[in-house]
Amino acid sequence: DIQMTQSPSSLSAFVGDRVTITCRASQSIRMSLNWYQQRPGKAPKLLVYAASTLQSGVPSRFSGSGSGTDFSLTISSLQPEDSATYYCQQSFSIWTFGQGTKVEI
Amino acid sequence: EVQLVESGGGLVKPGGSLRLSCAGSGFSFSSRNMNWVRQSPGKGLEWVSSISSASTYINYAASVMGRFTISRDNANNSLYLQMHSLRDEDTAVYYCVSSGPVGTSAYLVYWGQGTLVTVSS
Repeated sequence: DIQMTQSPSSLSAFVGDRVTITCRASQSIRMSLNWYQQRPGKAPKLLVYAASTLQSGVPSRFSGSGSGTDFSLTISSLQPEDSATYYCQQSFSIWTFGQGTKVEI
Repeated sequence: EVQLVESGGGLVKPGGSLRLSCAGSGFSFSSRNMNWVRQSPGKGLEWVSSISSASTYINYAASVMGRFTISRDNANNSLYLQMHSLRDEDTAVYYCVSSGPVGTSAYLVYWGQGTLVTVSS
């Protein structure tokens, strides 16, 4: 199986900060990388698919980039409602998720 | 409004069986690949199983292969997960999830609220 490694595991930042979460695949997955946001007690929500395509309705402060093995999710100006855990997920082969990055504000 | 509503979770003893159901509405259920994803308490997400729109293709995670069976009934917009030989490590919230439109990138777009399965003696 393809292993997905996120960093950092957690971070604390202020409202208005620019935040970047990285995700590394154990082998090339081209652009088959998705990002999800999970708020406490809620189901995950799709933010970005195919590495850089923003899902409809997701605020433009979220952006994704990368290809091959290295990917990132950036929040350009952190808002209070962005407090959540973020997961990357590869869809190149048998689907696997990263371990998650908890963002505290 | 898109809705996926899971049911069938509960407490079951190790070695027991359980059948989860998911009712979809507000989108073209029959044209979407469907999935089960689980999350153990306080842990991350784990993909469990996928079924294509016409049930032609089915995949399972290695951890559930041979014990779980995914199926669907497009006439009733329903997805199922039959679970046998349950283990402690199967304890999790199970989410019913729709993939994106067939032919586009593979991603998980519509999520249910989840149903809790607890395996304990």
